[in-house]
Amino acid sequence: VHLLESGGGLVQPGGSKRLSCAVSGFNFGLKAMAWVRQAPGKGLDWVASISGGGSTTEYAESVKGRFTISRDNSAYTVTLEMTGLRDDDAATYYCAKAGDSSRSWSHWGRGTLVTVSS
Amino acid sequence: EIVLTQSPGTLSLSPGERATLSCRASQNVGSYLAWYQQRPGQAPRLLIYDASHRATGIPARFSGSGSGTDFTLTITSLEPDDFAVYYCQERHSWTSVTFGQGTRLEIK
Repeated sequence: VHLLESGGGLVQPGGSKRLSCAVSGFNFGLKAMAWVRQAPGKGLDWVASISGGGSTTEYAESVKGRFTISRDNSAYTVTLEMTGLRDDDAATYYCAKAGDSSRSWSHWGRGTLVTVSS
Repeated sequence: EIVLTQSPGTLSLSPGERATLSCRASQNVGSYLAWYQQRPGQAPRLLIYDASHRATGIPARFSGSGSGTDFTLTITSLEPDDFAVYYCQERHSWTSVTFGQGTRLEIK
């Protein structure tokens, strides 16, 4: 199992950014995926989840209406579109794969850093 | 919204000792509780899922217990690589996921 995030970098407050996660090594369409972030020196913060088929998405209240999670099961990728970025969105964003129980995340990427600054 | 409270915030122990980490939920989460280890500069690693099931490849010295609102992660005979930050996580509802604030396990 391999997950590789990309798309991080510097963005101005109010700006937009698109993160991608390329996966391999498992039957992608059967597994829910998630984005979890971690601000520097802080704990883990769930951002969004998407079901294996892509029909069901959930979001943390802090990002609802600003972030959109999606997936392309033919391309083995999951995406996080972020708009209206704020200072407190600055973090390392991890892509994670649901485990067997689907209530926890068994595999994680190495993360991509998003910096929000003018 | 469910709140997970981990204790202690920091635990100072020596290699070979036993570590007991606690996670308390503000509401009943059944057995839907997971534990992760995060070493500096690394991604989190799943240790325990559904309260007591070890994830693939996790050594037997890691064990989880509890249900409802009170959960424990026990690490018997600490090894140098075990000194890290540990997080609990619940997903009682399909619409949200919550992490605890973490317990730092440091070398005494």
